Amino acid sequence: DQQVKQNSPSLSVQEGRISILNCDYTNSMFDYFLWYKKYPAEGPTFLISISSIKDKNEDGRFTVFLNKSAKHLSLHIVPSQPGDSAVYFCAASAGSQGNLIFGKGTKLSVKP
Amino acid sequence: SQTIHQWPATLVQPVGSPLSLECTVEGTSNPNLYWYRQAAGRGLQLLFYSVGIGQISSEVPQNLSASRPQDRQFILSSKKLLLSDSGFYLCAWSGVVNDIQYFGAGTRLSVL
Repeated sequence: DQQVKQNSPSLSVQEGRISILNCDYTNSMFDYFLWYKKYPAEGPTFLISISSIKDKNEDGRFTVFLNKSAKHLSLHIVPSQPGDSAVYFCAASAGSQGNLIFGKGTKLSVKP
Repeated sequence: SQTIHQWPATLVQPVGSPLSLECTVEGTSNPNLYWYRQAAGRGLQLLFYSVGIGQISSEVPQNLSASRPQDRQFILSSKKLLLSDSGFYLCAWSGVVNDIQYFGAGTRLSVL
């Protein structure tokens, strides 16, 4: 049973436009959420995180929104750049005892 | 600053041969250590994690084992590789269990 779901395997966006990557979760105990970016043949790199006490966190071009009632979070990239093309993983954890649970990832392609 | 090293980058092994992948972390003490596998289209699957020397938790029963002989060393092993063991193996570390994990560059294992 997937606790963290990224239902879109891929997303294609034009350079300069907004990229919106979505993530849904089922475990109401999750209280910390992270986004990772992964290039082929490399390890994932941490992008941005959000605690359940917040509904928005921003870092430069990257903003994560959390909707706890809908058990949904999204990553917005504005403006999108070709170098943003990668696989993006959503992850979540529950309390101090929980390991990170990862989604299957969404492959973002930003076209020049 | 903390760094994580993982080797080798690629490995081709015949079915039935043994496996040893090594991961070391520098610049921190008593890290939590993780082994993941990324199979095609299946996201990041947690295989093992360790909160201290000699302490290994297995998430998925399989043909693999892990050991932590030193504080900052984590080893993934197999006595006899199967075709299904092929994949991209990632080592990661974190300061606490549910916090940001930092990944190594990964090992591409092909079992033929």
